[in-house]
Amino acid sequence: KNEVEQSPQNLTAQEGEFITINCSYSVGISALHWLQQHPGGGIVSLFMLSSGKKKHGRLIATINIQEKHSSLHITASHPRDSAVYICAVAGYNTDKLIFGTGTRLQVFP
Amino acid sequence: EAQVTQNPRYLITVTGKKLTVTCSQNMNHEYMSWYRQDPGLGLRQIYYSMNVEVTDKGDVPEGYKVSRKEKRNFPLILESPSPNQTSLYFCASSRPGKSLYEQYFGPGTRLTVT
Repeated sequence: KNEVEQSPQNLTAQEGEFITINCSYSVGISALHWLQQHPGGGIVSLFMLSSGKKKHGRLIATINIQEKHSSLHITASHPRDSAVYICAVAGYNTDKLIFGTGTRLQVFP
Repeated sequence: EAQVTQNPRYLITVTGKKLTVTCSQNMNHEYMSWYRQDPGLGLRQIYYSMNVEVTDKGDVPEGYKVSRKEKRNFPLILESPSPNQTSLYFCASSRPGKSLYEQYFGPGTRLTVT
């Protein structure tokens, strides 16, 4: 079993829909990252969080440390949101990141 | 502009021919790391560096070498590439020391070893 599991693996949506991507992990962590990888391959960091909730534009990330679970929400989805979304965790006393395998999102007009 | 650069972006080579992929960042970051990305496996860490002259193995270090002689540069060396090292490689950097901080990724290097 992977230490970081994402669901779903693939997701399709109509423009305007509310999107939720989930990330569960099995190790103790000091931080969790959400990354976005566009079809061209480049990776950008969306959020880094260790507790609670963060919001940036139409994106919201939440984390529940006790349940070892995080969600990434996209409100009013748009075709330009089509990308692979990757969850990664930084464990306690380690400087390594452990990555999920990603969720591929396609938003259709 | 704050950025991480990698060169080359694309490389096709043959088994056993030594190669180096360069990585450079202009943000004065202390932490730098190399990852490989393979279908179905996601990103996996190869090596990371906490600071100049300090490097450590990630999860898949076999067949790779790194060096950190200067803060801004973190080259990835494949002494004798093999076909199983065909992959998409990313370099990343972040603020001092820890993977707690926002990661800045390079554009990626697509390597094919025949």
